[in-house]
Amino acid sequence: AQKVTQAQTEISVVEKEDVTLDCVYETRDTTYYLFWYKQPPSGELVFLIRRNSFDEQNEISGRYSWNFQKSTSSFNFTITASQVVDSAVYFCALSEAGNNDMRFGAGTRLTVKP
Amino acid sequence: GAGVSQSPSNKVTEKGKDVELRCDPISGHTALYWYRQSLGQGLEFLIYFQGNSAPDKSGLPSDRFSAERTGGSVSTLTIQRTQQEDSAVYLCASSLILEQFFGPGTRLTVL
Repeated sequence: AQKVTQAQTEISVVEKEDVTLDCVYETRDTTYYLFWYKQPPSGELVFLIRRNSFDEQNEISGRYSWNFQKSTSSFNFTITASQVVDSAVYFCALSEAGNNDMRFGAGTRLTVKP
Repeated sequence: GAGVSQSPSNKVTEKGKDVELRCDPISGHTALYWYRQSLGQGLEFLIYFQGNSAPDKSGLPSDRFSAERTGGSVSTLTIQRTQQEDSAVYLCASSLILEQFFGPGTRLTVL
């Protein structure tokens, strides 16, 4: 069965610090998809990125970067030079090919202090 | 609208009453999902609709929960004989390929 673990329940940093949110997943499928979502205080989940299992290339988007490593079953998310607006709960999720439900981790609450 | 919409945004009900929650997906999205998020928790999958196929109801917690999707668009999640443990935010998402786009949710409070 698929499973996503976000071991960090809460992280607090000061503005401009870099921060990495960890995500470890379990799956028996060879084809699967990994996602990160942001849930700001307003509550609406915002899609950030999707990574396919067959594409281990890391990705950078502005201050955001993602490190996908199949060898350690991890899909970590780094925010560089964090800002107060980055404060939110971040969810990592896994979807297996042919499986309808997306399994979410418990989320990591990030607080960025000015 | 451009995004997924849900109504009502808040619903307070008494234990034992039935409630209906509505979701309007993004136009053209063939897949629609319902999730439940309890306070401070992750998302719990409830049900999935894809086109005209039979829905995947494997996440529904009990037979008090049901959902319909009419005309491949709007969906209604119905909870019968509500219990206090049903209190949560109910989220709807729609997708065309893989990425799911979420609505703002309905906060359900059962007194």
